[in-house]
Amino acid sequence: DVKVTQSSRYLVKRTGEKVFLECVQDMDHENMFWYRQDPGLGLRLIYFSYDVKMKEKGDIPEGYSVSREKKERFSLILESASTNQTSMYLCASRKDRVSSYNSPLHFGNGTRLTVT
Amino acid sequence: AQSVAQPEDQVNVAEGNPLTVKCTYSVSGNPYLFWYVQYPNRGLQFLLKYITGDNLVKGSYGFEAEFNKSQTSFHLKKPSALVSDSALYFCAVRGTGRRALTFGSGTRLQVQP
Repeated sequence: DVKVTQSSRYLVKRTGEKVFLECVQDMDHENMFWYRQDPGLGLRLIYFSYDVKMKEKGDIPEGYSVSREKKERFSLILESASTNQTSMYLCASRKDRVSSYNSPLHFGNGTRLTVT
Repeated sequence: AQSVAQPEDQVNVAEGNPLTVKCTYSVSGNPYLFWYVQYPNRGLQFLLKYITGDNLVKGSYGFEAEFNKSQTSFHLKKPSALVSDSALYFCAVRGTGRRALTFGSGTRLQVQP
């Protein structure tokens, strides 16, 4: 079974802090994704990566950056945390070949970030 | 652009009754459609997908979904609901040439005993 592990389940940070959210997958998947989940808005894509050191902006990248130095690890960085970034953050992975674009996403359990 | 609409925030159904959770979509090209479920304090789990072929697709836990191209819909169904089906359900779509899924806002399903 694919395992996607997010390093923190709950995180509380102060406004202006630099925040790192870490995600690791153990199935050698090429694609990794960061979504945020907010009530009434569903999941919105922040960034995704289709290979090491490769990244692409999603629908709401402002205020975020990402790092993918190794295939198994995808980090989401909040450069200067703000209260409107209080949310549930979900990491996901998926195999990447054209025929596998329709493979299921495998999600971590999420990190609930509160910015005060 | 691609988008998904789930018009109902919540669906209530009695145990043993059939359930339907609605989803409509908008994409360029062919749609690839998915349903995911989220149980409390957990990440999302894949339920089923439509890629091509038969319009009725079957998935995990007795769920099925019907693809209707003319109505651009992909409604999730189950003939007989269980209390354990109570969860948050998300519809998602990917259009031709796009790598990432776009998710809907989610529908909370409450099954009463």
